[in-house]
Amino acid sequence: AQTVTQSQPEMSVQEAETVTLSCTYDTSESNYYLFWYKQPPSRQMILVIRQEAYKQQNATENRFSVNFQKAAKSFSLKISDSQLGDTAMYFCAFYTGANSKLTFGKGITLSVRP
Amino acid sequence: GAGVSQSPSNKVTEKGKDVELRCDPISGHTALYWYRQSLGQGLEFLIYFQGNSAPDKSGLPSDRFSAERTGGSVSTLTIQRTQQEDSAVYLCASSSRFETQYFGPGTRLLVL
Repeated sequence: AQTVTQSQPEMSVQEAETVTLSCTYDTSESNYYLFWYKQPPSRQMILVIRQEAYKQQNATENRFSVNFQKAAKSFSLKISDSQLGDTAMYFCAFYTGANSKLTFGKGITLSVRP
Repeated sequence: GAGVSQSPSNKVTEKGKDVELRCDPISGHTALYWYRQSLGQGLEFLIYFQGNSAPDKSGLPSDRFSAERTGGSVSTLTIQRTQQEDSAVYLCASSSRFETQYFGPGTRLLVL
């Protein structure tokens, strides 16, 4: 079975600063996908970024980038130039075709201070 | 194009009543998922539909929960004889490529 761990329940960052959210996972699969989703107070789950395990290059989407360390089973999200609109809960998630469902971490609440 | 839509947005019901939650996936998406988000349990998988295949019901917590998907599109999640522990946000997601799921805004269910 797959597990996803987000050990930090909450973090705070000053506007325009950089923040890194941690995620570790455990799996015996070799082919899988990792995601970060953002859930603002509106509760809409929004895809932030996705990483294929077979790709060595870290994914980047504008201000969002990941540090994917496959051997360490670590998948952290870096948010650069933080904005007030980044305030939300962030979930790390794991997917493998073997069971076709997303396994989520507990989430982390990020607050961006003006 | 339109995203995943869910209705109702909020539902308040009395213990013991049945409720139906609806999900309209993104047009053309063949896979549809239901998840439950509650304070104590985080995000839990409930059920997964892929095309005309038999659904994966492995996440349904009890036989009071059921779901169907008509015509490979709209899905309805039904909870019979609701209990207070069923109170949660129910999220629907769809995907065209299996691994990337796009979520709807969810239905917040409160059982009194």
